[in-house]
Parts: sequence; structure tokens; C-alpha cells
Amino acid sequence: NAGVTQTPKFQVLKTGQSMTLQCAQDMNHNSMYWYRQDPGMGLRLIYYSASEGTTDKGEVPNGYNVSRLNKREFSLRLESAAPSQTSVYFCASSAWGPDTQYFGPGTRLTVL
Amino acid sequence: AQSVTQPDIHITVSEGASLELRCNYSYGATPYLFWYVQSPGQGLQLLLKYFSGDTLVQGIKGFEAEFKRSQSSFNLRKPSVHWSDAAEYFCAVGSPSGGSYIPTFGRGTSLIVHP
Repeated sequence: NAGVTQTPKFQVLKTGQSMTLQCAQDMNHNSMYWYRQDPGMGLRLIYYSASEGTTDKGEVPNGYNVSRLNKREFSLRLESAAPSQTSVYFCASSAWGPDTQYFGPGTRLTVL
Repeated sequence: AQSVTQPDIHITVSEGASLELRCNYSYGATPYLFWYVQSPGQGLQLLLKYFSGDTLVQGIKGFEAEFKRSQSSFNLRKPSVHWSDAAEYFCAVGSPSGGSYIPTFGRGTSLIVHP
């Protein structure tokens, strides 16, 4: 049972480059989330998708876009990466809104 | 807006000692409350959760937490800590609103276990 998978695991970008972080879940969950984790800041919600076909901004959406491709997949795109976006990114899913969230292993992104 | 405060950034305990990690939340109604654990280089894993009912909830790995509405707290406890419990612990609150849901996490407490 794979749960939540994320690709890539590590990425180094130069300022201004773009990239897409991929996330997929195989638990037939309705809701999916993207977080960033920075030292001393806990997890901050970037975007979430309460159900297939909907997306909403979280606490720190600036500089990011998302796509809920289908029920399984939820991608996060950085159009023009900035050093402030250096972080560890986690994708999560839950069966319904406030239920237990299941997390992926994370993507460590460095922007030079 | 909801918020979560974990007042202790680091906690150090000796193996075998008891543990209590504090969590306070701010929310108008009864929230959904969670404790997650994160081992180094890993994603988060649920320890336990409270939605309603008995205010003392049991979780995995011998952890428990008690919801105290009067104190807006949801503290995590373990009677005897093992070296493998060294990790980062996050308290989270979730509140449904208009069919959507925005979870909020605390900043985390790092648990250090001395042999």
C-alpha cells in the first residue's frame, strides 16, 4: 500500500526557474493538501483541494499554483522560483475534510 | 481564525521518565484536535485525535491526550518515554467551515530523550 507518494524527493533550482511537484494518493481520499515546512515554523498550508475539481488558497499561497488533476493527483507548481521558497514540501490527503491526514515523505527543495 | 500554540520548542527527558507536551488552541467552537509525530527525514504520522465524546483519548505507541475545554488545551502524555520517541511532535486543530476545511498546525515541540 503506497499511501501518499511525492516526486521528486530532492530538487535544486536556480532563481527564476519553474518546476512542478507531483503528489498522488491511492486511498481514494477526497481532500488533498500542500504544506511547506520551515525550521521553527511548523507546517504552513499552501493550497488545498477539498474535493476533486476544487482548490483553495491556504495560509501562504503566493508564488504557487496547484492543479487537482483527478481524484488521485494534486500537483504544486512554482512558476518562478525564489530563494524564499527553499523549504521541505509535504503533500497530504484525508478521506474527508477534518479527518486524519496522511502525509507523503516530502520534497526537499533548494532555490539558489 | 483558529490558532495553535505549542509553548515548548524543545523538551528533554530521560528514558523511562514521564512526558507531557503542551498544546493550546484558539477556536470558537469545539474543534477537531490532533497530535502528529515526525521522525527525522520523514513525513508526519498521526498519534491520536479527538472529535467528540470521551475527553481522554488513547493513541498509538502508548500516547494519550486529554481535551480540556475550559483551558483550551489538548496536552499529550506518555507515562514512560522510550529512546525511539525522540522526534518532533505537532499539535493540530481543524475546523469545518462551509464545506471546506483549513487545518492549522502548531510550530512543533522537539523531544530529546537521554539514555
